[in-house]
Amino acid sequence: GIQVEQSPPDLILQEGANSTLRCNFSDSVNNLQWFHQNPWGQLINLFYIPSGTKQNGRLSATTVATERYSLLYISSSQTPDSRVYFCAVVNTGFQKLVFGTGTRLLVSP
Amino acid sequence: KAGVTQTPRYLIKTRGQQVTLSCSPISGHRSVSWYQQTPGQGLQFLFEYFSETQRNKGNFPGRFSGRQFSNSRSEMNVSTLELGDSALYLCASSLPGQGSSEAFFGQGTRLTVV
Repeated sequence: GIQVEQSPPDLILQEGANSTLRCNFSDSVNNLQWFHQNPWGQLINLFYIPSGTKQNGRLSATTVATERYSLLYISSSQTPDSRVYFCAVVNTGFQKLVFGTGTRLLVSP
Repeated sequence: KAGVTQTPRYLIKTRGQQVTLSCSPISGHRSVSWYQQTPGQGLQFLFEYFSETQRNKGNFPGRFSGRQFSNSRSEMNVSTLELGDSALYLCASSLPGQGSSEAFFGQGTRLTVV
């Protein structure tokens, strides 16, 4: 099946710094989503981005489907951004989300 | 509009028992999927239902089963619980139709098997 790799696995930043999280996938996809997981376990939607670029406040994402990767940018990091961020894809022809192992972001004051 | 609702939020069960978890999707969403999250295995797909039919199933033993009702609400059942079934179970809903659309998750049910 499709493989999804996220890097880095852990990222420690000072408040105010920018960060880039990467998601590589091994096959064609017709859905790609970025989530973060809140302390209670719920996955919160950040972007639905099978291709192209989107921005939402300090967050933006770019997916280059032909090269099989997606990037999540966080600018001016704040301590509440300290979460685990997941990338998930749906392989073309299938109906299930396949998740990466996540990037744990820690923003220190 | 209301999001995806999962009940109960927390459960403690004994090995050998069975458990039923419930998921109410966003109004108008007819596809419901279930995922298991554990520290060791990460987020893994269990099954997906659409119009009361299971369309996809993940690589889990037959002790894990599910169903979907005509109002799109879904339940999953785990029989003969094992310690390794302790996990966060997440439900997602999405719009109808083939292909893929944005999935939205509930708050999860945290199951502890003792």
